[in-house]
Amino acid sequence: DIVMTQSPLSLSVTPGEPASISCRSSQSLLHTNGYNYLDWYVQRPGQSPQLLISLASNRASGVPDRFSGGGSGTDFTLKISRVEAGDVGIYYCMQALHTLPTFGPGTRVDI
Amino acid sequence: EEQLEESGGGLVKPGGSLRLSCAASGFIFISYSVNWVRLVPGKGLEWVAFISPNSDHIYYADSVKGRFTVSRDNAKKSLYLQMNSLRAEDTAVYYCARHSRDEGMDVWGQGTTVTVSS
Repeated sequence: DIVMTQSPLSLSVTPGEPASISCRSSQSLLHTNGYNYLDWYVQRPGQSPQLLISLASNRASGVPDRFSGGGSGTDFTLKISRVEAGDVGIYYCMQALHTLPTFGPGTRVDI
Repeated sequence: EEQLEESGGGLVKPGGSLRLSCAASGFIFISYSVNWVRLVPGKGLEWVAFISPNSDHIYYADSVKGRFTVSRDNAKKSLYLQMNSLRAEDTAVYYCARHSRDEGMDVWGQGTTVTVSS
């Protein structure tokens, strides 16, 4: 199984300031088609998980452009350019390359 | 609006069984694969099972293989998760999530809570 790790596991941010979360996989997530099969999700308090980013850098429909994803192979990053109060929640990366998806442990973001 | 709605959760004793359902609306259900994902208290999200549009590809997490069975009825636009031999560690909120490999799990239900306790 592919093991996903995230850092930091907890992040306290100031509104208006940037934030960054790192995600690392135990195997490369780069497909032969050139895409990295890495997704980012957020679970805000009291809500269901929500897709933020797919294929490492593609923002999902309706996701503000404050959110951006990058990286390739085994190292990936989610960046929030200017944190807002509504960004509080737990952020997960997930590998989607192999048959059995695996999530990272989550990064708790609070204000 | 594209929606998924889970039902069937509850309190069950260890060793017992439960069947979860997930009803889809607002999109062409037969065009999509679907996953079951659970939020385990204190641990985070865990993928549980996957089923392709025509049920020809089905996969399970090792932690549930042999105990859980995923199925779907495309005519009813519904997904199911039969859970047998339940254990305390299966306690979680269970979500169904629409799946597109290139676009991620882009539609999620509101979740249904399963508690396994004596």
